Amino acid sequence: KQEVTQIPAALSVPEGENLVLNCSFTDSAIYNLQWFRQDPGKGLTSLLLIQSSQREQTSGRLNASLDKSSGRSTLYIAASQPGDSATYLCAVKDNQAGTALIFGKGTTLSVSS
Amino acid sequence: KAGVTQTPRYLIKTRGQQVTLSCSPISGHRSVSWYQQTPGQGLQFLFEYFSETQRNKGNFPGRFSGRQFSNSRSEMNVSTLELGDSALYLCASSRLGGHNQPQHFGDGTRLSIL
Repeated sequence: KQEVTQIPAALSVPEGENLVLNCSFTDSAIYNLQWFRQDPGKGLTSLLLIQSSQREQTSGRLNASLDKSSGRSTLYIAASQPGDSATYLCAVKDNQAGTALIFGKGTTLSVSS
Repeated sequence: KAGVTQTPRYLIKTRGQQVTLSCSPISGHRSVSWYQQTPGQGLQFLFEYFSETQRNKGNFPGRFSGRQFSNSRSEMNVSTLELGDSALYLCASSRLGGHNQPQHFGDGTRLSIL
């Protein structure tokens, strides 16, 4: 059964710092991996989706990488801003679960000014 | 383009009651999935509907059910509510529900059971 883990559970950084969020998964037979952002009391906003055949995706200050063989993904945030404060979730779609997303429990990021 | 709309945003119910939550997907999207989010368990998949048919189901008791209408709108019903059903219920839609299509989420319905 696929399990997704995100470490650390919480992270605090000063504004301007570059940071990396980690996501690991136990079964490498995935279709894709998706990173989401969740603000308090809100739904999920899709940030990046990496297909299983891809190594990375970029959007603005965000870069996500995927190493399927080792079961790892990272989300790199450059020049962090207070507006980046949120919970970041990664989710995989794998062969066993079909169309369901399997989520990690997230990393709560706080960026101070 | 309007996003995924969930109604109501907040609900308070008592144990034993039943509740119906509604989700309107993005226009043109035919797949609707439901998730439950709690502090302890995180986000867990409930079920997915595509063209009015349940295509996938998570590991939840039969008290949780859903349906999808011909206009792709979906409803989720929970019967005989328990305290543990208190959660944020999120709906997500995608165009065809294929494995490599991104899912777009609504803001959820916060259900509180007293």
